[in-house]
Amino acid sequence: GENVEQHPSTLSVQEGDSAVIKCTYSDSASNYFPWYKQELGKGPQLIIDIRSNVGEKKDQRIAVTLNKTAKHFSLHITETQPEDSAVYFCAASIGSNAGNMLTFGGGTRLMVKP
Amino acid sequence: EADIYQTPRYLVIGTGKKITLECSQTMGHDKMYWYQQDPGMELHLIHYSYGVNSTEKGDLSSESTVSRIRTEHFPLTLESARPSHTSQYLCASSEWREEQFFGPGTRLTVL
Repeated sequence: GENVEQHPSTLSVQEGDSAVIKCTYSDSASNYFPWYKQELGKGPQLIIDIRSNVGEKKDQRIAVTLNKTAKHFSLHITETQPEDSAVYFCAASIGSNAGNMLTFGGGTRLMVKP
Repeated sequence: EADIYQTPRYLVIGTGKKITLECSQTMGHDKMYWYQQDPGMELHLIHYSYGVNSTEKGDLSSESTVSRIRTEHFPLTLESARPSHTSQYLCASSEWREEQFFGPGTRLTVL
């Protein structure tokens, strides 16, 4: 089955700096890659996703890049703010007709210091 | 904000008790999931359902059971809780090939 590795497990940055979280996946058939943000006491919430037919996607201060050849994808957060502090999860899915079964990475705890 | 609800939010019970964690969604999603989240953050899929009367076991073996009698409702039951069941339980739902919407979670502590 699919295996998703996520690094780093913790990341501390100064407010205004950029943060980068990287994930690798094992199944070359995976074609859907979402990123979730989990704040304290809440469930994960989708913040951005990318499908295998594109290499990069941006939404304001966040962007995701995908390298299908190397089987890795990354989350980039620019101009970090204290409210970006949370746990971030990457995931991968084959997205077959059987539905969207996600395999999650181990999570990254991001701390943005004011 | 996604309309998926979990009750209770927090539960502290003694060993051997039977418990049911409730999960409901009002989005009409066919697929629903239960994840167990350990203190180290990692999410483990323990059960999922494709629709009414469909239940499947996930990647992580669990002593819990689930049922799906109505589209909107996906309860998880532990017949006899043990301290090893202490964890955060997250419910989610999705349309086919779309994002998963998560509930706020139930933090279970078994003494």
